Amino acid sequence: DAKTTQPPSMDCAEGRAANLPCNHSTISGNEYVYWYRQIHSQGPQYIIHGLKNNETNEMASLIITEDRKSSTLILPHATLRDTAVYYCIVRYTSGTYKYIFGTGTRLKVLA
Amino acid sequence: DAGVTQSPTHLIKTRGQQVTLRCSPKSGHDTVSWYQQALGQGPQFIFQYYEEEERQRGNFPDRFSGHQFPNYSSELNVNALLLGDSALYLCASSLKDYQPQHFGDGTRLSIL
Repeated sequence: DAKTTQPPSMDCAEGRAANLPCNHSTISGNEYVYWYRQIHSQGPQYIIHGLKNNETNEMASLIITEDRKSSTLILPHATLRDTAVYYCIVRYTSGTYKYIFGTGTRLKVLA
Repeated sequence: DAGVTQSPTHLIKTRGQQVTLRCSPKSGHDTVSWYQQALGQGPQFIFQYYEEEERQRGNFPDRFSGHQFPNYSSELNVNALLLGDSALYLCASSLKDYQPQHFGDGTRLSIL
């Protein structure tokens, strides 16, 4: 079973910030949080990852709470092309190499 | 810089047949993972190859097997195909354990 919990769907107005939450209450100290998105008929696309500090790249920002039990992916100015399923993944204990995907959040950006 | 490439993009087989799917990792990557994604579901981990050996395996039967070649490319083989094997098969490559995996666009396998 996935160790993350995400809302099944969200809507966001074009040009506004999209804030996608993820709960990972059982995360341990050396486990990273990864975010991917999947546009229909394509493979998952890497967005960002982090351990404990907030991270930002050209695509998004990742905010991780101080207790690391939850995180938020922020798309600062959502466009129609950001419509996709967004997956939050926690990499398990060291020596475990697989990703375990949940069902993700289906984000719909509205014109 | 080519990303992860998979072939073929689509494939139709009948029950009982065998299939081989191929994956070329992103340049510089040495680790290949395979995932199965059923319609409407998130990808499920099948196995991972590193240094030409299966390093970890998910909850899939022995009908699913793989191989990694010295150039780091990989194959996924599925024997005795079942209707339930119809899915998108994704390959992902990476360099180090904690570095992000990069996915190809998958092979869509349909079983009739």
